[in-house]
Amino acid sequence: DTGVSQDPRHKITKRGQNVTFRCDPISEHNRLYWYRQTLGQGPEFLTYFQNEAQLEKSRLLSDRFSAERPKGSFSTLEIQRTEQGDSAMYLCASSLVGGEETQYFGPGTRLLVL
Amino acid sequence: AQSVSQHNHHVILSEAASLELGCNYSYGGTVNLFWYVQYPGQHLQLLLKYFSGDPLVKGIKGFEAEFIKSKFSFNLRKPSVQWSDTAEYFCAVGSNSGYALNFGKGTSLLVTP
Repeated sequence: DTGVSQDPRHKITKRGQNVTFRCDPISEHNRLYWYRQTLGQGPEFLTYFQNEAQLEKSRLLSDRFSAERPKGSFSTLEIQRTEQGDSAMYLCASSLVGGEETQYFGPGTRLLVL
Repeated sequence: AQSVSQHNHHVILSEAASLELGCNYSYGGTVNLFWYVQYPGQHLQLLLKYFSGDPLVKGIKGFEAEFIKSKFSFNLRKPSVQWSDTAEYFCAVGSNSGYALNFGKGTSLLVTP
């Protein structure tokens, strides 16, 4: 059973650059979530998709952040004009609608903005 | 505002000691409750979950948690910890009105031989 995968696992960039992360959910999972985790904190919700529709966005998701899930399968999270405060672990999770719906997490992409 | 509190940020135990990690939440309405664990160098994994029914739920690796509605609590327990239980533990709460999980700040557990 293939879990949630994320790419890249690590990204170092300079302030002002754009970065894009990819998440591949568990096959047939129709909900996909993005979270951000900083040191000493638990994951914080950013946004989620049901199939290709983005249904909820957190106030944490500034205008510089955009997420897509064009075909209802993989998703991308782009950060434009990165700032040092964007340095964090970006986590993706997926779930299957219905019943005791449970989110399964990927390994994360660790972003460092210099 | 909805919130999740984990009272113990760092816990150090000797092997075979008993473990209880506290989790309290402030939510109105029906909640779904989770404990996730993150072992060193690994990703978040589900330890156990509660949706309804028996408030005492059992998870993997001998862990259990009890939902006490009147206390808004979902404490995690294990009668005898092992060195391999060294990890970060996160309590998370979801509500039936939304799908995002709200996490506590986590508890770092170190089990010494």
